[in-house]
Amino acid sequence: AQSVSQHNHHVILSEAASLELGCNYSYGGTVNLFWYVQYPGQHLQLLLKYFSGDPLVKGIKGFEAEFIKSKFSFNLRKPSVQWSDTAEYFCAVNAEAGRRALTFGSGTRLQVQP
Amino acid sequence: EAGVAQSPRYKIIEKRQSVAFWCNPISGHATLYWYQQILGQGPKLLIQFQNNGVVDDSQLPKDRFSAERLKGVDSTLKIQPAKLEDSAVYLCASSDRGLQPQHFGDGTRLSIL
Repeated sequence: AQSVSQHNHHVILSEAASLELGCNYSYGGTVNLFWYVQYPGQHLQLLLKYFSGDPLVKGIKGFEAEFIKSKFSFNLRKPSVQWSDTAEYFCAVNAEAGRRALTFGSGTRLQVQP
Repeated sequence: EAGVAQSPRYKIIEKRQSVAFWCNPISGHATLYWYQQILGQGPKLLIQFQNNGVVDDSQLPKDRFSAERLKGVDSTLKIQPAKLEDSAVYLCASSDRGLQPQHFGDGTRLSIL
């Protein structure tokens, strides 16, 4: 069975600081990888996704993630965070040709201080 | 396009009572998922439907949880009887024929007293 590990449970940054959130997954086959964001009081929203091709994917709001197959990692990055990035971030993986449910990590709560 | 609709937003019940949640997916989405999100954890799949058929219910506690999607559109998730450990947010998501990405509703926050 596939699993996802997010190493940082709670991250506190000041505005303009750089962000990197770690995500590792365990699955031997082909996977699709996702980062979802949940702003306070809102539903989960897709931040970015990787299906194939260029391992560096860009998402909304200046976020990007890099898929490193040899490390089973899909870390999320942003060069300069804003107060509005305060949210919970979930890494998720989907296997079996993408037609199955997502397996989520436990999430990282990001708090950006003005 | 209209998003995934869920109701109610909040529900408080006592243990051993029953409760039902409703989900209306995005129009045309054949695949519907129910996830359970316990505080401090990521969402965990309970059941996946493709049209009105069950694709995966391996993590659904079938002694107390049930779900249906009779006409391949709306779905209901029921818990009977509820236990304290069922306190969670219940998320519904849908996708086009199981393809990604999935679109999530706002969820129903269930509190068991």
